[in-house]
Amino acid sequence: GAVVSQHPSRVICKSGTSVKIECRSLDFQATTMFWYRQFPKQSLMLMATSNEGSKATYEQGVEKDKFLINHASLTLSTLTVTSAHPEDSSFYICSASPTLRGSSYEQYFGPGTRLTVT
Amino acid sequence: GEDVEQSLFLSVREGDSSVINCTYTDSSSTYLYWYKQEPGAGLQLLTYIFSNMDMKQDQRLTVLLNKKDKHLSLRIADTQTGDSAIYFCATDSWGKLQFGAGTQVVVTP
Repeated sequence: GAVVSQHPSRVICKSGTSVKIECRSLDFQATTMFWYRQFPKQSLMLMATSNEGSKATYEQGVEKDKFLINHASLTLSTLTVTSAHPEDSSFYICSASPTLRGSSYEQYFGPGTRLTVT
Repeated sequence: GEDVEQSLFLSVREGDSSVINCTYTDSSSTYLYWYKQEPGAGLQLLTYIFSNMDMKQDQRLTVLLNKKDKHLSLRIADTQTGDSAIYFCATDSWGKLQFGAGTQVVVTP
């Protein structure tokens, strides 16, 4: 149980175009989803937290208009990188949480999406 | 400095025990986690420990928590080649995970 998928696993796009990444919880309802960005040999940096049906909460320094997040249903969240530039190239990972356990979320991670902007 | 710190690399011989250390600054974390990441993949939750515990054992994995020193460790007994990966420790503050930079563990025959 607790499987999270991401699509696509790899994407190459041209500078100036937009690209959408999907995150799905396959066997549970995700009340909360998280989007992370990971640079090579570095840690994961939280970009935003999204709850189904409401606006995402972005971390400081993350551009809301650049990284559009939609959490339209309890099993799907999307991240759209708008007007992509080479510096947006990265590994994007989502996680989904079915529950709030005390003050912590039980997070299950997707396999990640490698974005390369040429 | 970083909120969560880990050594970056560990080499261990197959069959030996691995110990990965982590220090953190956020004392409000309810849970502390260890995740495993294999090349090109997402994170797999290995184990976690509640902040009022000082030890948790789960098969080959032993987590030790020294809350006073804000030190967390993960011991892998009888390390296998399949244990080669990057291991992240993470603290948790109201759902926000703060990760260390990860420790790359290389298991040699």
